[in-house]
Amino acid sequence: NAGVTQTPKFQVLKTGQSMTLQCAQDMNHEYMSWYRQDPGMGLRLIHYSVGAGITDQGEVPNGYNVSRSTTEDFPLRLLSAAPSQTSVYFCASSSTRTWDSSAWEQYFGPGTRLTVT
Amino acid sequence: DQQVKQNSPSLSVQEGRISILNCDYTNSMFDYFLWYKKYPAEGPTFLISISSIKDKNEDGRFTVFLNKSAKHLSLHIVPSQPGDSAVYFCAASAVGDMRFGAGTRLTVKP
Repeated sequence: NAGVTQTPKFQVLKTGQSMTLQCAQDMNHEYMSWYRQDPGMGLRLIHYSVGAGITDQGEVPNGYNVSRSTTEDFPLRLLSAAPSQTSVYFCASSSTRTWDSSAWEQYFGPGTRLTVT
Repeated sequence: DQQVKQNSPSLSVQEGRISILNCDYTNSMFDYFLWYKKYPAEGPTFLISISSIKDKNEDGRFTVFLNKSAKHLSLHIVPSQPGDSAVYFCAASAVGDMRFGAGTRLTVKP
């Protein structure tokens, strides 16, 4: 198993550009989520999904869109990049079969470092 | 508002001694607490968790303690090893909500 994979590893965007961060997992996990990590702030939940076709907002969803058309993939779209979206983005998935608080025991991908100029 | 706080940005301990990392939370709706470990240029790795119905959970050298009345949890690592040097994130969760602390950088000196 490759686990949770993220592409690209690094990306530089200009303000106003759009792009999609890719996330895939090959562990047949139902639960997937996206986080951003900023210096001194830990990780913050952007969006999450409890299964194909189902997504919901986390703590900081503004400026980001997600979709979950398959169990394996959970892409994160930046609609119009802003310098405030400069961050490291992590995707994660969980093997938990019950949607409860323990679903947050997650496997994380290696991250995508995004810079918006 | 930061609902999960790790007030010590860094901690340094000697190999073989105990490391104690602390975490406080404010939201009483949180019912599951987790610790993640992160090495540079990697994603976080799940370490240990505890449900709000327990006050202690052990896994090898790692023990997490939960004091619900004080809204406080701690991670004990005994004995500490140089390979434990990393950033440790405390997290608190409820259904549909997950909050992380800012992290504590642990350095274990040989």
